[in-house]
Amino acid sequence: SAVISQKPSRDICQRGTSLTIQCQVDSQVTMMFWYRQQPGQSLTLIATANQGSEATYESGFVIDKFPISRPNLTFSTLTVSNMSPEDSSIYLCSVAESMNTEAFFGQGTRLTVV
Amino acid sequence: AQTVTQSQPEMSVQEAETVTLSCTYDTSENNYYLFWYKQPPSRQMILVIRQEAYKQQNATENRFSVNFQKAAKSFSLKISDSQLGDTAMYFCAFMNGSSNTGKLIFGQGTTLQVKP
Repeated sequence: SAVISQKPSRDICQRGTSLTIQCQVDSQVTMMFWYRQQPGQSLTLIATANQGSEATYESGFVIDKFPISRPNLTFSTLTVSNMSPEDSSIYLCSVAESMNTEAFFGQGTRLTVV
Repeated sequence: AQTVTQSQPEMSVQEAETVTLSCTYDTSENNYYLFWYKQPPSRQMILVIRQEAYKQQNATENRFSVNFQKAAKSFSLKISDSQLGDTAMYFCAFMNGSSNTGKLIFGQGTTLQVKP
């Protein structure tokens, strides 16, 4: 399975600022995803990070709020923009080596907005 | 739209005993995959087991096995000989194999406490 490194592991941020989360994989993967896990809740898909093109966002998530980059097959970033306390969550990077294979997850970024 | 339901918010089991976590799902697809993930306090999501819908045989991984009832759209996880390290939140997840998007839809999760 792919080894996924996600940074930072946690951060406390002021409202109105932005935070960029990095996801690095030790091998080339076809699929990369970003999920959000609000406190005590399940995981919700934010978007699929597409290599070399704009990410595909799920309903309720927009590019202006969660810009995503994926310059190559091993790296992606998620930015949480203009943060408010409601953005306090765990953000998880997930990868799949090909379609219809199991997904593996990074260790997550615990974000607290004050 | 596909949905995944875990009706047990919390479960507990004595060490060395067996516990079963429930999961039901709703889909009109025939080609799909089901997963159980474990999330310990460290936050790391760990794949426990995977089941392809086209396979009749229930998947097994060491102490973990599933009871896949396709007609009933049920996918329960059985943990045998429970260990303290099994304490975690467990998520059931669905992937639509026909869409080729790789997206996972998660249930609400079940918190499992293994007691010594």
